[in-house]
Amino acid sequence: DIVLTQSPGTLSLSPGERATLSCTASQSVSSSYLAWYQQKPGQAPRLLIYGASRRATGIPDRFSGSGSGTDFTLTISRLEPEDFAVYYCQQYGNSPPITFGQGTRLEIK
Amino acid sequence: QVQLQESGPGLVKPSETLSLTCTVSGYSITSGYFWGWVRQSPGKGLEWIGSIYHSGSTYYNPSLKSRVSISIDTSKNEFSLKLSSVTAADTAVYYCVRDGLVVVSVFGYWGQGTLVTVSS
Repeated sequence: DIVLTQSPGTLSLSPGERATLSCTASQSVSSSYLAWYQQKPGQAPRLLIYGASRRATGIPDRFSGSGSGTDFTLTISRLEPEDFAVYYCQQYGNSPPITFGQGTRLEIK
Repeated sequence: QVQLQESGPGLVKPSETLSLTCTVSGYSITSGYFWGWVRQSPGKGLEWIGSIYHSGSTYYNPSLKSRVSISIDTSKNEFSLKLSSVTAADTAVYYCVRDGLVVVSVFGYWGQGTLVTVSS
């Protein structure tokens, strides 16, 4: 199984700043089949990015994804108050099984 | 608008079988997509359990495959999860999801989740 490691575990930033979240895979992710989700307390995760860089429907363009092979990045260009949440990466190129990273908590500084 | 809603017991005894149903509204299961289950526990984070196509084809997480069964009822537009021989490690929030269009991939729609506790 592909293990996804997210860093940092917690990221403390202020609104308006730029956030960079990393996801590293234990082996190459086939066809850049990597997704990102956002989860707020008490809610289900929400799909943000798929195919490493494609925004899901309705996702603001301040969210962008990049990367290939084993290294992927989610960037939030200018943080809005509603962006503070937990973010997960997920690979689906070498499935089953689909696997998730352990999450990065983005908190207000 | 696609909506998913989980239902089932919130408490299951150890060694028994966990059973959940997901009712889909706003979309006909027979129109396509895989439909699946994902769980979330504090100890293991998000874990994909398995997915089913409307034809009945299933894919399961190998780590759970011996205990999992996912079925679909197109007449009721719902699908179900059974997880046998549960232990405390199966305590989690269980989400039903809409999976990929033609292959198991990403989860574009999620239910609100239901907490299942395994305890005597």
